[in-house]
Amino acid sequence: DADVTQTPRNRITKTGKRIMLECSQTKGHDRMYWYRQDPGLGLRLIYYSFDVKDINKGEISDGYSVSRQAQAKFSLSLESAIPNQTALYFCATSDSWTSPNEQFFGPGTRLTVL
Amino acid sequence: KQEVTQIPAALSVPEGENLVLNCSFTDSAIYNLQWFRQDPGKGLTSLLLIQSSQREQTSGRLNASLDKSSGRSTLYIAASQPGDSATYLCAVRQFGSARQLTFGSGTQLTVLP
Repeated sequence: DADVTQTPRNRITKTGKRIMLECSQTKGHDRMYWYRQDPGLGLRLIYYSFDVKDINKGEISDGYSVSRQAQAKFSLSLESAIPNQTALYFCATSDSWTSPNEQFFGPGTRLTVL
Repeated sequence: KQEVTQIPAALSVPEGENLVLNCSFTDSAIYNLQWFRQDPGKGLTSLLLIQSSQREQTSGRLNASLDKSSGRSTLYIAASQPGDSATYLCAVRQFGSARQLTFGSGTQLTVLP
């Protein structure tokens, strides 16, 4: 089984709908991250969490919210989806006790907003 | 703000060739640099990670070098194979408690049989 899983893997939705993307990990890592990737661009950080009670905004947090339900679960929500949020979304984890904080990525969720 | 650039954006080579992928970054105060491989539908796989105090790292046919002073890293792939076809991403991690990654846009490599 994969260490970092994302659900759903693909999602098509309409403008204005609320969407939740979920991430689960079995690595026992304390840190989790959400990134988005647009065609021809690198990954950009949306939100990150250092533990269950710690949530931080990343480079492009507008229009998104997150919830860290447990150490192993980190969800990303789009309260009212818009077409420019169409992208590939990745979840990642890392272990703060291990140098050099190497990040491990999930398989991604492809989101299309019509 | 750190910016990471990867050139070329796409590269096509015949099987067996040795090749070099380039990564440059604007702020040399990095904690480390990581090379990833991205396959469609499979997320990112970490290939090599170089600490700021290191000059290179090797794994099998892959060798990554780091020159902090010039803001450059290269990924050398020896004896390329069709299975090496993928997008290769470079990412740098800054100092600070967050140590966030800044990614380049990637080089899409195609190795022709």
